[in-house]
Amino acid sequence: RKEVEQDPGPFNVPEGATVAFNCTYSNSASQSFFWYRQDCRKEPKLLMSVYSSGNEDGRFTAQLNRASQYISLLIRDSKLSDSATYLCVVNILVDRGSTLGRLYFGRGTQLTVWP
Amino acid sequence: EADIYQTPRYLVIGTGKKITLECSQTMGHDKMYWYQQDPGMELHLIHYSYGVNSTEKGDLSSESTVSRIRTEHFPLTLESARPSHTSQYLCASSEYGHEGYTFGSGTRLTVV
Repeated sequence: RKEVEQDPGPFNVPEGATVAFNCTYSNSASQSFFWYRQDCRKEPKLLMSVYSSGNEDGRFTAQLNRASQYISLLIRDSKLSDSATYLCVVNILVDRGSTLGRLYFGRGTQLTVWP
Repeated sequence: EADIYQTPRYLVIGTGKKITLECSQTMGHDKMYWYQQDPGMELHLIHYSYGVNSTEKGDLSSESTVSRIRTEHFPLTLESARPSHTSQYLCASSEYGHEGYTFGSGTRLTVV
């Protein structure tokens, strides 16, 4: 069973649309959560961390539901430059009592914003 | 401006050759990682290190080896390259291990 499962996509939306990505994780011991963005043939780059209280960064809003083990990312007013693959990522501690963790990446959801 | 550097960016090499992929970071991070990613697929952790002289194998079985003699340097070596090693290799680092990682630009390896 994969640690992180994402919507397969691809999502093709017009400029200005609102798009939502969903993700579930299997390990209840997951400690921290992130969304990364990866452009074609580039390295992943941290988009934002995700907190239980929800957090917003401009047009991007991330939500975490620990009870359902569910993470979401909402992009409002989509821009052409938002076209990329969005990776859902969780950090799981290597063992109890440790502060060391490892990131597990979802396969990613591809977004294409068209004019 | 990159604080984590990978070389070479692209490498095409023949079967059976020994290769070393370089990764260096200037942030003083203790934690470093190597991921392998095929096109359209998720990243798989192949090696990681929590500090000097510490190395561990990741989730994906790999015929590569790593070393961590200096904090800033985490090279990955393939003793005998095979076509099945063709992939993108991404190096990353983090300060505490539980926050987001910073990735290098990757090495795209093709073994012919």
